[in-house]
Amino acid sequence: AQSVTQPDIHITVSEGASLELRCNYSYGATPYLFWYVQSPGQGLQLLLKYFSGDTLVQGIKGFEAEFKRSQSSFNLRKPSVHWSDAAEYFCAGYNNNDMRFGAGTRLTVKP
Amino acid sequence: DAGVTQSPTHLIKTRGQQVTLRCSPKSGHDTVSWYQQALGQGPQFIFQYYEEEERQRGNFPDRFSGHQFPNYSSELNVNALLLGDSALYLCASSNTGDEQFFGPGTRLTVL
Repeated sequence: AQSVTQPDIHITVSEGASLELRCNYSYGATPYLFWYVQSPGQGLQLLLKYFSGDTLVQGIKGFEAEFKRSQSSFNLRKPSVHWSDAAEYFCAGYNNNDMRFGAGTRLTVKP
Repeated sequence: DAGVTQSPTHLIKTRGQQVTLRCSPKSGHDTVSWYQQALGQGPQFIFQYYEEEERQRGNFPDRFSGHQFPNYSSELNVNALLLGDSALYLCASSNTGDEQFFGPGTRLTVL
């Protein structure tokens, strides 16, 4: 069955520190991959997407993600976290008109 | 461009009632997808509409039904509401094979 897994439910980082959020996918073929961010009570905002080509993808707000086929992973990174990055982050895979989301990783930023 | 809009913002119903949620897609988009996001979880795919027909469906019972109109707007109907239907319902629009843009959601509470 198609699925996306985010192993970390909650991550806390200090402001200015680097960040990596993990995402693994399980699909028969490589899906389109996305990272979304959700602030409390809000909808989802797209950070970046991978369809094909260059495996290092740049997104908005200084985020990037690297697609690694050998590890079935699409991890999200940011070199220096800002307090405003505190939110819920979702990884998603899309294939055959079906979008699957991970359970999300809640990011807390310490001052 | 207003983006994806959803109405109402909040809704309170009692068990056994029926509810209709509405979604207007982003200008130029022809595909609408609906998701249910329970508290603390990732969005779960309900179904997708294209050319006024349900093109793909997730693992939801027949109590969940939908409709797409000629102007591409869409409705989600839920019959015989259960307490477990309480969630944030998200609508997303896209063109086939492209990224999805999400609305702010409708918060449904079933008492």
